[in-house]
Amino acid sequence: DAKTTQPTSMDCAEGRAANLPCNHSTISGNEYVYWYRQIHSQGPQYIIHGLKNNETNEMASLIITEDRKSSTLILPHATLRDTAVYYCIVRVATGNTPLVFGKGTRLSVIA
Amino acid sequence: DAGVIQSPRHEVTEMGQEVTLRCKPISGHNSLFWYRQTMMRGLELLIYFNNNVPIDDSGMPEDRFSAKMPNASFSTLKIQPSEPRDSAVYFCASSFSGTQYFGPGTRLTVT
Repeated sequence: DAKTTQPTSMDCAEGRAANLPCNHSTISGNEYVYWYRQIHSQGPQYIIHGLKNNETNEMASLIITEDRKSSTLILPHATLRDTAVYYCIVRVATGNTPLVFGKGTRLSVIA
Repeated sequence: DAGVIQSPRHEVTEMGQEVTLRCKPISGHNSLFWYRQTMMRGLELLIYFNNNVPIDDSGMPEDRFSAKMPNASFSTLKIQPSEPRDSAVYFCASSFSGTQYFGPGTRLTVT
């Protein structure tokens, strides 16, 4: 699986959009970008994933650059409950293989 | 759906004792993963099963650790004998088509 690079930490004001970047310059054509988050003391929670098109669900939007070497997770209206560590993971989607977690980005939403 | 169920949620034991962690995956999922999280090493894979068969146990620290999946709805992770360095949060996750869903974890403390 390709390696990802994320900022160690970010702050966001409550009610504003949180934009979390991820670099994955060695991504292969058959690898997807997955985002998970871990709220303190809880299990990692799936957020969204995508291959090359932008994706949106009830939790977030995922914007993937045309060359697929980077992506941005967008939480449109951050709340205090979105404070968590966010992990960007690149992996082949088909088949059930393990996730390889890096250190992620610690997002703090501030009132 | 009840999600992935893990028990116990907390376990405190003395060094040398046997510890058994339990996991019930989401119904219909055919893959099950055991991860461990520590401050020093982050989230790391211990072992995973596809269709109840162990596929990769290279993450199991040593022979003191063993995992079984006797059927599609139950798995155990056993540590015998336990040591203080085994103190961590142990997560179980299951999947069907690539997206993994995590349980709440078992916080193990070995004194």
